[in-house]
Amino acid sequence: GNSVTQMEGPVTLSEEAFLTINCTYTATGYPSLFWYVQYPGEGLQLLLKATKADDKGSNKGFEATYRKETTSFHLEKGSVQVSDSAVYFCALKTGGYNKLIFGAGTRLAVHP
Amino acid sequence: DAGVIQSPRHEVTEMGQEVTLRCKPISGHNSLFWYRQTMMRGLELLIYFNNNVPIDDSGMPEDRFSAKMPNASFSTLKIQPSEPRDSAVYFCASSLNGRGLSVNTEAFFGQGTRLTVV
Repeated sequence: GNSVTQMEGPVTLSEEAFLTINCTYTATGYPSLFWYVQYPGEGLQLLLKATKADDKGSNKGFEATYRKETTSFHLEKGSVQVSDSAVYFCALKTGGYNKLIFGAGTRLAVHP
Repeated sequence: DAGVIQSPRHEVTEMGQEVTLRCKPISGHNSLFWYRQTMMRGLELLIYFNNNVPIDDSGMPEDRFSAKMPNASFSTLKIQPSEPRDSAVYFCASSLNGRGLSVNTEAFFGQGTRLTVV
């Protein structure tokens, strides 16, 4: 079946540090891949997405590249800020109804 | 657009009581999803609708859970009777999607309903 595995948190970084959150997936067919972010007390917001192999999604300084050969979609940011503290979810979508399969989420805490 | 609107934001109820969670999707969206979020199990898809029709309810945990979508602008998730283990944050999401459509959007989430069953 389809599934998403992401690194366990929490990830604790100092401001301006480099961030990587690993995400790998298992899927039949050709999924679209997403990163969603959840700030405290809020719902999930789409951060970035990639719909085919070798696509790079980017937004707000975050990037992720769809790697079909390694079935991965790792999230990176060169310099994190305190305001990036949140829970990050990797997800995949297959089929025609936008049904999303989420990973467990990774909590990021950035300290000044 | 105001986005996906869920009500109530918080609900505290006693075990055995009926609970109804409400969702208003984004106008024009044709797919609606109910998710449950807990520390132990993460985000679980409970059920989703397309054009008001339930497509997949395999994620609904028990018969105590039921969901309806009487029209394109409203959906409910009902738990009857409620139990303490149902305590979680319940999210509704909507999107425009489906076979044959020329434009597809990502899923937009509401702010969730935090349910506590005591």
